[in-house]
Amino acid sequence: EIVLTQSPGTLSLSPGERATLSCRASQHVTSGFFAWYQQKPGQAPGLLIYGASSRATGIPDRFTGSGSGTDFTLTISRVEPEDSAVYFCQQYGSSPVTFGRGTKLDIK
Amino acid sequence: QVQLVQSGGEMKKSGASVRVSCKTSGYTFTRYGISWLRRAPGQGLEWMGWISGHNGNTKYAQNFQDRVTMTTDTSTGTAYMELRSLRSDDTAVYFCVRASSTWSEYSWFDPWGQGTLVTVSS
Repeated sequence: EIVLTQSPGTLSLSPGERATLSCRASQHVTSGFFAWYQQKPGQAPGLLIYGASSRATGIPDRFTGSGSGTDFTLTISRVEPEDSAVYFCQQYGSSPVTFGRGTKLDIK
Repeated sequence: QVQLVQSGGEMKKSGASVRVSCKTSGYTFTRYGISWLRRAPGQGLEWMGWISGHNGNTKYAQNFQDRVTMTTDTSTGTAYMELRSLRSDDTAVYFCVRASSTWSEYSWFDPWGQGTLVTVSS
């Protein structure tokens, strides 16, 4: 199975700064079948990005997904306090579908 | 809006079975699949399997192949996941999620149910 490794484990930023979250796959991810999710405390995860770079409905354009092959990135251009959450990645190009362990984003 | 509402938490003894339900609303059930995931304490998300909302075809993760059954009731838009021969390491929060594909397990997930805590004790 494809193992997804996310970095950094924790990211602490001030409002307005740029966040760069990385997810590296142990094998090539087919056809960019890659997604990002956001989970806030006490809530179920929510879809941010699918197809590596397509924003889900209602997601602000400050969230951008990029990458292909084995390296994928989620960029938040200017973080806001409401962006405090855990972000995790998923590949769905190979079975079984697998997830990264997450990056915790703290907004100071 | 699209919603997935799961049944309540369960406490089970080792060796027992558990059945979790997932009632959907706000979309055409047969046009999407349903996947089941779980997160055990201190662990990452684990995909358990997928079922087609269109024809009931299933694909189970190898780790659960012998112990899990996923079904649907298209008349009510409800999905079910039964896990048998429970062990203490099955203690986890179980999620149902709407899968983007009704034809294969190769899907992203949106939205998610609220999660169901299943606690297994010896």
